[in-house]
Order: sequence, then C-alpha cells, then structure tokens
Amino acid sequence: AQSVTQLGSHVSVSEGALVLLRCNYSSSVPPYLFWYVQYPNQGLQLLLKYTSAATLVKGINGFEAEFKKSETSFHLTKPSAHMSDAAEYFCAVSEANRDDKIIFGKGTRLHILP
Amino acid sequence: EPEVTQTPSHQVTQMGQEVILRCVPISNHLYFYWYRQILGQKVEFLVSFYNNEISEKSEIFDDQFSVERPDGSNFTLKIRSTKLEDSAMYFCASVSSQPGGYTFGSGTRLTVV
Repeated sequence: AQSVTQLGSHVSVSEGALVLLRCNYSSSVPPYLFWYVQYPNQGLQLLLKYTSAATLVKGINGFEAEFKKSETSFHLTKPSAHMSDAAEYFCAVSEANRDDKIIFGKGTRLHILP
Repeated sequence: EPEVTQTPSHQVTQMGQEVILRCVPISNHLYFYWYRQILGQKVEFLVSFYNNEISEKSEIFDDQFSVERPDGSNFTLKIRSTKLEDSAMYFCASVSSQPGGYTFGSGTRLTVV
C-alpha cells in the first residue's frame, strides 16, 4: 500500500525566507508524486507533479520539488516566502498508472511571519 | 483550460435525508473519483469509477454511498441517509490520458444538521 508522511503539521517561516515542506513516501511500485495547495475554504490547486521525467520539478508560484528515490522524499521548496503563500499544503502519491487513486498526506499548514 | 464542475458549492441537509452531489468531469476523461475532506483533516479517497462501474472503493464507502453516471456527462455521489459525521468537503476528480493528469473540482461543502 502506498502512503505519504508529511513532517510537521505546522511550519512557520519569515517573509522572504526559504520555505521547506517535507514529504516522504512509501510505494512498492514507481510513484507519481504531487503537491497541492489549499487556501481557506477553497479547493485543491495543483502546485506541481512528478511523473518519472525530470527529478527536479518546477511548479507554479515559484515552488519546486525534487524527487529523491534513495531517500523516498519529495520535499517542496521556495527560495523566498510571500505572505500569500500562507495555506495548507498536501503531498500526495499514486501508482504510476494514469488511473490510480491519489493518496494524500495529512497536510502542513504554512504560516508566514511578517 | 477544461474544468471539473461541482454543484452545489454548499449544501445543508438534515440528518437522515438523502443528498446527491453532482459533478461534471472533463469530457474526454475516462476515470472518475470522489474524495472527502472532513474539516481540518486530510483528503481521503472514497471511490473510483471506470467504464460505468466502480473500480475501487475505500472502507469509508459503505452501503450508504452510491455513485453513478446517469447520462454520460454527470457523475453523482449519493448519500442515502446522511449522518452528522458525513459533514465534509467532497471533491470530484477526473483523469486524462496524461501521466498524473488529475483535475479536481472545487468541491461541495456538505453540512449535516
């Protein structure tokens, strides 16, 4: 069975500082990996996804993530945090088949300090 | 860009009542899903649907739940007799032929009172 572990249910960073949100996955088959962002009372917005092409994936809003098979990790980073980045972030995994369900992590709430 | 459309955006219902949540997936997608997010918790898989039948369902998807695609465009989730603990955001998703090509709808917030 696949699973995702997000380290830290809450992360606080200062505006302008590096954002690092950690995600480790477990999968017995090659995975697809995703990061979604959710603003309060809104839906899920895809930030980026890894689908077995380049291991460094660039997404929207300046975010990127690197797939590291040896570490079973897919951490999300952004060089400089903006106030507008405050939201809930979900890491997710699916099997590398186009029809497989997505399994979500518990989420990390990102707080941006002025 | 094509969207997955969910209606209504918010529904309030009394405990014990039936509700139907509606979704219009992207037209050329073949795989469809429902997910649930209880307030403050993670997004959980409910059911996947392909070729007019359920392909997989989770433990949450008990006999109170059903899905169908009645007219080739809409994809519905029915909860037969709602409970307070069914209060959640329900997301519909469909998948394209592209790797990882999921598109989520904006969700329906169901409140059971």
